[in-house]
Amino acid sequence: EDKVVQSPLSLVVHEGDTVTLNCSYEVTNFRSLLWYKQEKKAPTFLFMLTSSGIEKKSGRLSSILDKKELFSILNITATQTGDSAVYLCAVARGDKIIFGKGTRLHILP
Amino acid sequence: ETGVTQSPTHLIKTRGQQVTLRCSSQSGHNTVSWYQQALGQGPQFIFQYYREEENGRGNFPPRFSGLQFPNYSSELNVNALELDDSALYLCASSEDLFSEQYFGPGTRLTVT
Repeated sequence: EDKVVQSPLSLVVHEGDTVTLNCSYEVTNFRSLLWYKQEKKAPTFLFMLTSSGIEKKSGRLSSILDKKELFSILNITATQTGDSAVYLCAVARGDKIIFGKGTRLHILP
Repeated sequence: ETGVTQSPTHLIKTRGQQVTLRCSSQSGHNTVSWYQQALGQGPQFIFQYYREEENGRGNFPPRFSGLQFPNYSSELNVNALELDDSALYLCASSEDLFSEQYFGPGTRLTVT
């Protein structure tokens, strides 16, 4: 059965810290891996990764995919309180998208 | 703002009733997906429509059905509501099957 597993499930750090969120997957017919940030309702798109080893970067956030080991990481450097959210990892295959349960990140001021 | 809208925002229904949720995608987005998100869980894929045809379906019973219209709007219909159907229902649209998805704000459904 296809699955996407995120770890840790929750994380509390202080402002300014760097965090690494993990996502491992077992999905047939892999097409892409996506990261989303969910604060209140609608998840907002962060990254889409399709190729191994190519880092995608947006400001303080970056992500990379390892298709051999079937995982991805999302890094956030110099965290701010506005980074507090649930971070969702999802894997798209040809006919469906499978989400993990998310990592709840809380940044203390 | 993603340009994806959903209605209604909140809805309360009684067990056994039927409900229709609506989504308006971004113009030009040919793909729409619907998700159910229970509290504390990630979104669960219900189904996806591409150019008005169902393209894929998750592990949801047939009482969950959908439609996609040529004007970039879509519907999720749920018949014979059960208490466990209480959740946030999200729709997401994308240009095609291979592009990133943009989510609407969701409809919070409560079944009593």
